[in-house]
Amino acid sequence: AQSVTQLDSHVSVSEGTPVLLRCNYSSSYSPSLFWYVQHPNKGLQLLLKYTSAATLVKGINGFEAEFKKSETSFHLTKPSAHMSDAAEYFCVVSDQANFGNEKLTFGTGTRLTIIP
Amino acid sequence: GAVVSQHPSWVICKSGTSVKIECRSLDFQATTMFWYRQFPKQSLMLMATSNEGSKATYEQGVEKDKFLINHASLTLSTLTVTSAHPEDSSFYICSANGYSYEQYFGPGTRLTVT
Repeated sequence: AQSVTQLDSHVSVSEGTPVLLRCNYSSSYSPSLFWYVQHPNKGLQLLLKYTSAATLVKGINGFEAEFKKSETSFHLTKPSAHMSDAAEYFCVVSDQANFGNEKLTFGTGTRLTIIP
Repeated sequence: GAVVSQHPSWVICKSGTSVKIECRSLDFQATTMFWYRQFPKQSLMLMATSNEGSKATYEQGVEKDKFLINHASLTLSTLTVTSAHPEDSSFYICSANGYSYEQYFGPGTRLTVT
């Protein structure tokens, strides 16, 4: 069984300051991990993904995440927040054991608010 | 590339009627499509997985006779909510994958049952 826990339901940061969105996972297999962003009334967009390659993953829009197996964490960071980053962020785990038919398990989401 | 569309984007129907939602992969062939449900301010819950030409696999607790899924081609899957009730009101999202680990998501369909 796989699961993912997003530790903060809501994060507020000032524009230009760092962003940290926390995620812990549980998986029976070697997991794939993703971060998706959902802007209001828009579909989910993939920010970045980890699939057993480099543990530090760089994504779009300046976001990155580090896979830490010992801590079962996959926290999302960005050095400097922009107003356009305000959205809902989902940490997602996938069971790689069923290639081509993977089920994604979503966290409960973190709403990021940017203060001008 | 890798665009998934959904139609309609918003639908209102009366209680007891059925409504069909389409999910299309526009520029790639999707071997597998997934249907999710998202309640307001909550996460996405997987409802079912469909493979082209075969029956969908439903998650535990999802009524297969109520949520009919058809994956008729490599670019189209449909979700029909039969005999809809107000508690079926939700945001329905589909996704599709080809031959990679990444799923591409549609923009979602908001269903309101009155």
